[in-house]
Amino acid sequence: GENVEQHPSTLSVQEGDSAVIKCTYSDSASNYFPWYKQELGKGPQLIIDIRSNVGEKKDQRIAVTLNKTAKHFSLHITETQPEDSAVYFCAASYQKVTFGIGTKLQVIP
Amino acid sequence: DSGVTQTPKHLITATGQRVTLRCSPRSGDLSVYWYQQSLDQGLQFLIQYYNGEERAKGNILERFSAQQFPDLHSELNLSSLELGDSALYFCASSVGDRITNPGELFFGEGSRLTVL
Repeated sequence: GENVEQHPSTLSVQEGDSAVIKCTYSDSASNYFPWYKQELGKGPQLIIDIRSNVGEKKDQRIAVTLNKTAKHFSLHITETQPEDSAVYFCAASYQKVTFGIGTKLQVIP
Repeated sequence: DSGVTQTPKHLITATGQRVTLRCSPRSGDLSVYWYQQSLDQGLQFLIQYYNGEERAKGNILERFSAQQFPDLHSELNLSSLELGDSALYFCASSVGDRITNPGELFFGEGSRLTVL
């Protein structure tokens, strides 16, 4: 089955700096790669996604890149703000949606 | 508000007991997913239903079972509970089947199960 590895597990950045989270997947059949943000006490919420026929997607301060050949994808957050502090999950999907272990991002004011 | 409703929000029970977690998906969503989130663990996929039928299975224990009813709500049954079953259980829903229509999962706020 699919295996998604995510790193780092924790990340601390100064407000205004950029944050990068990287994931790799194992199943070449996976065709959809979403990123979710989970705030304390809440369920995960989609922040951006990318499909296998696209290499990069950007939405304001958030961007995701996908390298199908290497089977890895990354989340980039620019100009980080304290409200970006949360746990971020990457995922790979074909029939099942398999999540990475999560990255706890702390933005220091 | 994602539109996905889970009950109960909190549940405390003893080892060996049986509990049922309930999930109402977003209006119009045909797929329901169950995930387990333990302390410092990611989201472990348990099972998916699409329009009443089991569609995909993950690392779901034999002590656990689920079903999706004709009105599309779903229940996750956990039996012979052990201390290690203490976790946050999330339900999520999506519009369609994953292969033909991959898309956003909408998560509920979870049911926190504590087994003493």
